[in-house]
Amino acid sequence: KAGVTQTPRYLIKTRGQQVTLSCSPISGHRSVSWYQQTPGQGLQFLFEYFSETQRNKGNFPGRFSGRQFSNSRSEMNVSTLELGDSALYLCASTSMGTLYGYTFGSGTRLTVV
Amino acid sequence: AQSVTQPDIHITVSEGASLELRCNYSYGATPYLFWYVQSPGQGLQLLLKYFSGDTLVQGIKGFEAEFKRSQSSFNLRKPSVHWSDAAEYFCAVALSNDYKLSFGAGTTVTVRA
Repeated sequence: KAGVTQTPRYLIKTRGQQVTLSCSPISGHRSVSWYQQTPGQGLQFLFEYFSETQRNKGNFPGRFSGRQFSNSRSEMNVSTLELGDSALYLCASTSMGTLYGYTFGSGTRLTVV
Repeated sequence: AQSVTQPDIHITVSEGASLELRCNYSYGATPYLFWYVQSPGQGLQLLLKYFSGDTLVQGIKGFEAEFKRSQSSFNLRKPSVHWSDAAEYFCAVALSNDYKLSFGAGTTVTVRA
């Protein structure tokens, strides 16, 4: 079956712009999580959604937001981009929760110039 | 404070030699434990996970990990490394009601011929 699909793979944006990243989970998976990966901070949790409800949120400013649709697809949005937002953004999905482990997508590489 | 520590930033190993990657955690209760691998420019692939029961866990690609409660450790091992094992390895932990993974800083493995 298809894995976790993230689009686009690469993005270049200018400071001050906003960006929307998309994630399609594995079919049947209702939980979707987002992570930011940078060389300096490593892998950091952004937020998790289940059945369109945010169940947990990491320590990121309000410029970072997300949502989940009824088909479990998820988007995350970053407004007023800063240079420090340049990162690999990873999406992960799971069927029944943490117990089953998470399957990650290949990520979206965002570069802010 | 809760934390996940991977003491080794970089390990170089000869092809065919054994490999052990260390992971220590600091949590009030025993969390769920995971090892992930990331190849350059890719997402994370789950190698194995531990929730309870047998403390020696078998994973994919010939990897195994041993959970030691007394040492709060979950070390990853492989008896004979292949060149294709060169990658970055992440230890991760999760609590059952947290819906997120907390990652260690990662260990980069280089395999020399």
